[in-house]
Amino acid sequence: KQEVTQIPAALSVPEGENLVLNCSFTDSAIYNLQWFRQDPGKGLTSLLLIQSSQREQTSGRLNASLDKSSGRSTLYIAASQPGDSATYLCAVRGGTYKYIFGTGTRLKVLA
Amino acid sequence: EAGVAQSPRYKIIEKRQSVAFWCNPISGHATLYWYQQILGQGPKLLIQFQNNGVVDDSQLPKDRFSAERLKGVDSTLKIQPAKLEDSAVYLCASSLDGSLSTDTQYFGPGTRLTVL
Repeated sequence: KQEVTQIPAALSVPEGENLVLNCSFTDSAIYNLQWFRQDPGKGLTSLLLIQSSQREQTSGRLNASLDKSSGRSTLYIAASQPGDSATYLCAVRGGTYKYIFGTGTRLKVLA
Repeated sequence: EAGVAQSPRYKIIEKRQSVAFWCNPISGHATLYWYQQILGQGPKLLIQFQNNGVVDDSQLPKDRFSAERLKGVDSTLKIQPAKLEDSAVYLCASSLDGSLSTDTQYFGPGTRLTVL
């Protein structure tokens, strides 16, 4: 059974810092991994999707990497801004075809 | 391009009452998902439709939850009767074709359900 873990559960950083969010999963047989952002009271916004054959994806200040063999993905946020404050969720699509979500990392960027 | 629409945004009911949620996916999206997100947890898939057929409903509590997607477009999720533990945010998402490797999900704003 696929399990997805995100550490840390919460993170506070000063504005301008580069930071890394971690996602680990137990079954390496995946089709893809997605990173989402969730703002309070709102739905999820897809940030990056990495296919199982890919090692990383980049969008603006965001870079996501995938290491299937070790069951890990990281989301790197460069030069963080207060507007980046949100909960970040990773989700893995595996053998059952459905997405399994982690519990998220709640990020606060202080001005 | 209009996003995924959901209504109502908030609902408060007493336990044992019934409730229904509505979702209108992005135009042209064949795949529709309903998720339940309990406070402090990640979303859990309840049911996935491909057009108007069910792909996965393995985590749907079928004794009280039902869902349909008529004509492969809009969808409704119903709870009857509701229990206290059903208090959660119910998220609807859609994707273009559900392809395993590349399909991106787009989420609606969710319906926050409180059962008293």
